Amino acid sequence: EVQLVESGGGLVQPGGSLRLSCAVSGLTVSGNYMSWVRQAPGKGLEWVSALYSDGSKYYSDFVQGRFSVSRDSAKNLFSLQMNNLRAEDTAVYHCRSRKGDFDSWGRGVLVTVSS
Amino acid sequence: DIQMTQSPSSLSASVGDTVIITCRASERISNFLNWYQHKPGRVPKLLIYTASNLGSGVPSRFSGSGYGTDFTLTISRLQPEDFATYFCHQSFDTVETFGQGTRVEIE
Repeated sequence: EVQLVESGGGLVQPGGSLRLSCAVSGLTVSGNYMSWVRQAPGKGLEWVSALYSDGSKYYSDFVQGRFSVSRDSAKNLFSLQMNNLRAEDTAVYHCRSRKGDFDSWGRGVLVTVSS
Repeated sequence: DIQMTQSPSSLSASVGDTVIITCRASERISNFLNWYQHKPGRVPKLLIYTASNLGSGVPSRFSGSGYGTDFTLTISRLQPEDFATYFCHQSFDTVETFGQGTRVEIE
């Protein structure tokens, strides 16, 4: 059974940084597509970033240049480094892996950006 | 980025009704369109992938169609557990995007 468990969320001031981690079991982060999707309070789903098995990385316009994704194959960990955070980045962040009809999400972690 | 526009943004329906939700892409996306069901406090559930393929364990009352820019999700014989928010999602581009969601409420 595939499990994705996020950690690292919390309260941070505008302009601050936070690193989210996704501990994965049941599949290898290095061999699979991994992504981050967020949902701001009262809003819809918003795709944030992805890391493909070939190492290519992609970002949405609203995080490009501020966020970066990475993976640790030894620990089977998928991470999101978030810098220069803004109030509008406040959301629950989910990590996710998907291929065809396989689609697995973590329960998410709350990031609150506020002074 | 490819913009995904859903309509309606919300609707009211009764158990047993047929519900149709549409999704339009700002450019052609072949059949790289997926549909998710999302309920409060739960993770999104994949209903339909590549426009018309039923996700694992998804009831057959859910169906999807479309190609290019216009897509539909049809829920036949609406059940109480179907009241939720539905999102379309394009995976054609490496920068993926979701529609804004359609909330299906009890009439």
